[in-house]
Amino acid sequence: AQKVTQAQTEISVVEKEDVTLDCVYETRDTTYYLFWYKQPPSGELVFLIRRNSFDEQNEISGRYSWNFQKSTSSFNFTITASQVVDSAVYFCALRGSARQLTFGSGTQLTVLP
Amino acid sequence: EAGVTQFPSHSVIEKGQTVTLRCDPISGHDNLYWYRRVMGKEIKFLLHFVKESKQDESGMPNNRFLAERTGGTYSTLKVQPAELEDSGVYFCASSQAGGAYEQYFGPGTRLTVT
Repeated sequence: AQKVTQAQTEISVVEKEDVTLDCVYETRDTTYYLFWYKQPPSGELVFLIRRNSFDEQNEISGRYSWNFQKSTSSFNFTITASQVVDSAVYFCALRGSARQLTFGSGTQLTVLP
Repeated sequence: EAGVTQFPSHSVIEKGQTVTLRCDPISGHDNLYWYRRVMGKEIKFLLHFVKESKQDESGMPNNRFLAERTGGTYSTLKVQPAELEDSGVYFCASSQAGGAYEQYFGPGTRLTVT
């Protein structure tokens, strides 16, 4: 069985602070994919990143960066210099041998001006 | 390029009624998925189509739910008869052929059963 845990239910930061969203996963598959999605107040799920299990290189995209560590089964997401527009629910998800995504429960991020 | 669209955006029905949700995937995407999030819970997988064929329907909660994808284009998800516990947000997603591609989600349909 697969499982994704996002232990942080809610995080609140002040604009320009850095914030890290944690994601821990469990799977028996040797090949798998990890994802982050953003759900703004409008409700749609916006794809942010996909990471393959055989590629542990960290990735940076503008103010966003992702740290994938197989040794600890973690795929954490950091927003640098947060902005009010970053306020949203962020979901971490896992895809193993089956095609469907297994989601974490989400982290509500609030960035205060 | 148009994204995944879902209709309606909201639906309020009474217990025992029937509701049909529609999803139009991104053009050319063979894979189509349905998920739902009931209040306070995780987003859960319902089923997966590859073109018009049901590839995996292991997440369908019971036989009150019927999904179709005639012609391999849009899909419908019918709930008949609806129960109170069916309330939640129903998401549709699509992805390109093959296994590694990311899924693009629609805005969801919020279903309220009273």
